[in-house]
Amino acid sequence: DAGVIQSPRHEVTEMGQEVTLRCKPISGHNSLFWYRQTMMRGLELLIYFNNNVPIDDSGMPEDRFSAKMPNASFSTLKIQPSEPRDSAVYFCASSLSAGAGTEAFFGQGTRLTVV
Amino acid sequence: GESVGLHLPTLSVQEGDNSIINCAYSNSASDYFIWYKQESGKGPQFIIDIRSNMDKRQGQRVTVLLNKTVKHLSLQIAATQPGDSAVYFCAENMAGNQFYFGTGTSLTVIP
Repeated sequence: DAGVIQSPRHEVTEMGQEVTLRCKPISGHNSLFWYRQTMMRGLELLIYFNNNVPIDDSGMPEDRFSAKMPNASFSTLKIQPSEPRDSAVYFCASSLSAGAGTEAFFGQGTRLTVV
Repeated sequence: GESVGLHLPTLSVQEGDNSIINCAYSNSASDYFIWYKQESGKGPQFIIDIRSNMDKRQGQRVTVLLNKTVKHLSLQIAATQPGDSAVYFCAENMAGNQFYFGTGTSLTVIP
């Protein structure tokens, strides 16, 4: 398995533009997580899905952020409109199931820069 | 060890020495813990895990110790190598819930 695949690896966009980050979890994994990493706040959980259903989105900063998981092999994180403070590395991770003592496997991340 | 705040704790060790990285977790109900290693430009990578019914677990060159009384986790790396230089995160998990990560500790191995 190629692991968790994220695209793009890097994204530079202007303030106000829409940004879509993509994630393909490991095949067979039932849970998917979106994290944001910054120097100021470390790794923050934004949202996680179990069997394609959003379970906890309390970490989503505001309404500008939305996430979808239309099927078991694909998820998107969208920011509209983007702002400079959204600049961060966004990670997607997947696990066999949320909790239940199984580790999460991370993708390589998408480095987002909003100018 | 790890701490809440803006500054990433750092640890510098000589190549060949043992390293100990500490973590204080927050939720006494957490029952599963993981140590991750993150190299520059990469995502966190699983190193070793431990469940709350254990207090010690050993892997290859790594040992994790869990003290539930004081909610403390440590990662010991034996014979530290330059390739071990990275940021190390502990993560706690409660069954059916998500992973919560500490702020990380930066390990630098001096050749």
